[in-house]
Amino acid sequence: AQSVSQHNHHVILSEAASLELGCNYSYGGTVNLFWYVQYPGQHLQLLLKYFSGDPLVKGIKGFEAEFIKSKFSFNLRKPSVQWSDTAEYFCAGGGKLIFGQGTELSVKP
Amino acid sequence: DTAVSQTPKYLVTQMGNDKSIKCEQNLGHDTMYWYKQDSKKFLKIMFSYNNKELIINETVPNRFSPKSPDKAHLNLHINSLELGDSAVYFCASSQSPGTADQPQHFGDGTRLSIL
Repeated sequence: AQSVSQHNHHVILSEAASLELGCNYSYGGTVNLFWYVQYPGQHLQLLLKYFSGDPLVKGIKGFEAEFIKSKFSFNLRKPSVQWSDTAEYFCAGGGKLIFGQGTELSVKP
Repeated sequence: DTAVSQTPKYLVTQMGNDKSIKCEQNLGHDTMYWYKQDSKKFLKIMFSYNNKELIINETVPNRFSPKSPDKAHLNLHINSLELGDSAVYFCASSQSPGTADQPQHFGDGTRLSIL
């Protein structure tokens, strides 16, 4: 069965700390992976996406993600987080766009 | 200039009632979706329509009935509401039927609370 899993349920960081959120996928066929962000009380917004080509993908707001085929992973990174990055982050992929469980990021000022 | 708009934003009603949520997109997309986000923020697809035709119908009680009068609209009607239906319902749209190469654009969500 297709699945997308996020291992970090809640991450708490101080401002300027580096961020890495894990995402693993389990499905065959064409790889299509996304990271979405949901700020408190708002809708989901696309951060970045990967379909093919350079496995290091750069998105909006200074986020990037690296696709590692051998590890079935698509981890999200940011070198230095800000308080405004506090949000829920979702990894998604697959033919029916399966979402991971989400990771709540809290950044302390 | 809202791309995907849902109404109402909040819906509070009693068990057993019937309610509808409307969704419209002005992006010219062919495909629209309904998702349910539970209290733990878990997001799960319910339905997907492409050019008014149902293409994804996950395991959802038949009390939930989507209707797509045209490709810019996908409404969700829920009969005999139950406590477990309390959630945030998101509408989304994308250019192509599959999600293989196109991201989805989400509406602001409808928070449904059942008393």
